[in-house]
Amino acid sequence: EVQLVESGGGLVKPGGSLRLSCAASGFTFSSYSMNWVRQAPGKGLEWVSSISSSSSYIYYADSVKGRFTISRDNAKNSLYLQMNSLRAEDTAVYYCARDAEWASPAAGIEYYFDYWGQGTLVTVSS
Amino acid sequence: QSVLTQPPSVSGAPGQRVTISCTGSSSNIGAGYDVHWYQQLPGTAPKLLIYGNSNRPSGVPDRFSGSKSGTSASLAITGLQAEDEADYYCQSYDSSLREVFGGGTKLTVL
Repeated sequence: EVQLVESGGGLVKPGGSLRLSCAASGFTFSSYSMNWVRQAPGKGLEWVSSISSSSSYIYYADSVKGRFTISRDNAKNSLYLQMNSLRAEDTAVYYCARDAEWASPAAGIEYYFDYWGQGTLVTVSS
Repeated sequence: QSVLTQPPSVSGAPGQRVTISCTGSSSNIGAGYDVHWYQQLPGTAPKLLIYGNSNRPSGVPDRFSGSKSGTSASLAITGLQAEDEADYYCQSYDSSLREVFGGGTKLTVL
C-alpha cells in the first residue's frame, strides 16, 4: 500500500524557516517524481514544487521561487521542502504527492498526482 | 484567481446527474494538455478521481466520468449519493506555469 506521511509543520514567524519532510513507503520511491502541493485555509490547491526521480529536474511555482528548496533522499525514501523567508501567505496545509505518468495522445508525456499524503499545516504568523 | 475556471458550487438531489466544468485557455487545456480530476472529502487529502480526461483509477465508481473538448473539460456524476458531497478540483499542465489547478467546486447533495 502506497503511503506518504508528511511532518515538520508548525507555527513560525514571518521571515522564519521550516523544513517539511515526507516519508514514502509501499512503492519504489527512487522511480517516481514527487511534488509538494499546498492549500491555504478555505482555499483551493496550488502546486508548489516538483523533483524528478534522480533530482535532475526541479521546478518551482513563481510564488515560492528563490525561497523554497525541494530535495529528496532516495536511500531514505524521503522528500523534503526547505522553506525560508516565510510569509503570511505561505500559511497552508502542505501535501506531498506522487507523480504518475500519462501518455497523452495529443501532448506526449504528462503527469498527474496519483497518491497524496495527509498533509502538514504550516502557519506563518507573528 | 485560478488559471482554470470552475463554478464555485453545484448541487443536486440524490439520484440526479450533475456536471462540473473546467475552463482553461490556449496555454493549457486548449494547447492539448489533458485534464485530471480530484475529489476532496471534508477534512481529508485530495484523491485522484479521473486522469487523462476520462480514465478512472481502479476503485472509482463508474458513476464518475470525464470529458474534454477544446479549452474545457467536464466531470459528470450520475446517480448522486450523499457520500459524493465534497470539493472537486480539475488540474492540467500550463506551458508557462506548469501544473495548474482549478479553484475547486463544492458539490452539495440536497
